[in-house]
Amino acid sequence: GQNIDQPTEMTATEGAIVQINCTYQTSGFNGLFWYQQHAGEAPTFLSYNVLDGLEEKGRFSSFLSRSKGYSYLLLKELQMKDSASYLCAVRWLHNYGQNFVFGPGTRLSVLP
Amino acid sequence: EPEVTQTPSHQVTQMGQEVILRCVPISNHLYFYWYRQILGQKVEFLVSFYNNEISEKSEIFDDQFSVERPDGSNFTLKIRSTKLEDSAMYFCASSAGTGTGNEQYFGPGTRLTVT
Repeated sequence: GQNIDQPTEMTATEGAIVQINCTYQTSGFNGLFWYQQHAGEAPTFLSYNVLDGLEEKGRFSSFLSRSKGYSYLLLKELQMKDSASYLCAVRWLHNYGQNFVFGPGTRLSVLP
Repeated sequence: EPEVTQTPSHQVTQMGQEVILRCVPISNHLYFYWYRQILGQKVEFLVSFYNNEISEKSEIFDDQFSVERPDGSNFTLKIRSTKLEDSAMYFCASSAGTGTGNEQYFGPGTRLTVT
């Protein structure tokens, strides 16, 4: 079945840059999403990659390499409010449609 | 800014009872989804819905689950006979499409507690 891996936890300092990695199986791939989820809240969309390369959106950037089954989310100029879980989710196409699988999430703690 | 809404925010029910979770997707969106998240675990896809029918469902979405769009604005998830393991946060989401650039907007969730 589909499998997505992310580091469980990361810690970084306010103002720094952090890179959160995500690896996945490649067959049937049809897009990769990054979401931010604060404790007790719903996920909120951050970025979407379907082609190789870097997508930049303010302080957040996401990179995709389809051949390697690899993506990363880059957060710059970290702020305390960036402390949250970051979810990598992959959309797969198969015979009967498409399916979404979420990774376990990476809990990021931003320290002063 | 348009948003997805869900009711109730918290539902407590006894094992074996039926529950209906309600969602109002963003009005011009065409694709609707249900996800669940057991406390401390990852988000799990349940079902997607398009053009008044289920377009995809996961292995979690068994015969105890059903979805409906009864009136063109609401999107409901019904669990016929709840089990203890159905206790989770249930998120509804909607999107305008499935192509490049579309994104899923999540509702605030309904916390279901089965006792």
